[in-house]
Amino acid sequence: ETGVTQSPTHLIKTRGQQVTLRCSSQSGHNTVSWYQQALGQGPQFIFQYYREEENGRGNFPPRFSGLQFPNYSSELNVNALELDDSALYLCASSLMGTDTQYFGPGTRLTVL
Amino acid sequence: GQQVMQIPQYQHVQEGEDFTTYCNSSTTLSNIQWYKQRPGGHPVFLIQLVKSGEVKKQKRLTFQFGEAKKNSSLHITATQTTDVGTYFCAVLQGGSEKLVFGKGMKLTVNP
Repeated sequence: ETGVTQSPTHLIKTRGQQVTLRCSSQSGHNTVSWYQQALGQGPQFIFQYYREEENGRGNFPPRFSGLQFPNYSSELNVNALELDDSALYLCASSLMGTDTQYFGPGTRLTVL
Repeated sequence: GQQVMQIPQYQHVQEGEDFTTYCNSSTTLSNIQWYKQRPGGHPVFLIQLVKSGEVKKQKRLTFQFGEAKKNSSLHITATQTTDVGTYFCAVLQGGSEKLVFGKGMKLTVNP
């Protein structure tokens, strides 16, 4: 049990809709990273938030956006959903400057 | 950026057997991490290796970083059904501190 929580656990949306996923980081951690894991693949880095600002971004279009709040929790927003956005979305919390990231249980998003 | 490839992608073993899986890169890696993801679960951090030739053990799991820091291996002794899952290697890239994962090695165990 990492202490990282995500909500919701499952979500079904239709193409073109927007979605917001939430992550609460582990106590004492100040950094949240988001990953997309398609079926049968390794997680792909979307972006990272530190001190409420984006601190690095992977190869994802601008319709993927995020926020980090003063309590270090974070949101991932995806606009104009596409079928290929169907995946497990994982957040990982860490303490900046340390090497270990702790993953939450993920949100399974299905886009129909 | 640093990329890693895992071989094999699938491994099916008999309970009690030993096996080894590999993680390779064409470039020198600054570090390598290993994660385990159980079916339906999320990645769980196992270990990090940073030194050339480093070997670390966790019970029946032995992790090694190659001398040239271009490959890493995970060896499991006397496989058990609890070892079932997908094992990922990943590189922590500095600056953005993002993890770059391999595609994973899915292990199934025949009891």
